[in-house]
Amino acid sequence: QKEVEQNSGPLSVPEGAIASLNCTYSDRGSQSFFWYRQYSGKSPELIMFIYSNGDKEDGRFTAQLNKASQYVSLLIRDSQPSDSATYLCAVNTFMNTGFQKLVFGTGTRLLVSP
Amino acid sequence: NAGVMQNPRHLVRRRGQEARLRCSPMKGHSHVYWYRQLPEEGLKFMVYLQKENIIDESGMPKERFSAEFPKEGPSILRIQQVVRGDSAAYFCASSLTSSYNEQFFGPGTRLTVL
Repeated sequence: QKEVEQNSGPLSVPEGAIASLNCTYSDRGSQSFFWYRQYSGKSPELIMFIYSNGDKEDGRFTAQLNKASQYVSLLIRDSQPSDSATYLCAVNTFMNTGFQKLVFGTGTRLLVSP
Repeated sequence: NAGVMQNPRHLVRRRGQEARLRCSPMKGHSHVYWYRQLPEEGLKFMVYLQKENIIDESGMPKERFSAEFPKEGPSILRIQQVVRGDSAAYFCASSLTSSYNEQFFGPGTRLTVL
């Protein structure tokens, strides 16, 4: 079973600070990487995806990918209390059928205090 | 522009009963994915369907679980003879193509087995 690992947290940051969320994966063949946000009792919401090494920025969010280290991160600048949620890292993995499935980490709980 | 619809949102069953979970994908989407999320665990892929076809069911338990996506109507995830361990949130996602950046999640069905 391919694995995606995240620190479960909670990661506590004050409002306005940078939150850094990390994820490692074991399948070197993975090519697509995703960050989902999930509020308690709600469904996952895609916030970022990244395919190439380096950084990808979207508003207050930056995704970072290092395929050599098999490491993905999500930075949230100017953190707001509304960012408090569980952040799920997801990585694609190829099945024998040729189908690519998403493997999710267990998520990191982020708490942003006012 | 309706998103992915799932019903019921909450379902209570006694051990041994059957549970039927329905998923209507976004308009125009023909790819449906089912995931299960156990308490304090990440999302686990169960099955991927296109209209009238099961493409990959590598995440489905071999017994009691089945899924379909008929030509007309919603996708159905069926759990026969439910046990307490089936209690979880079941999420459906749909996509226009098989690309993962286009995968949108429904609100989920919370199944409780008494």
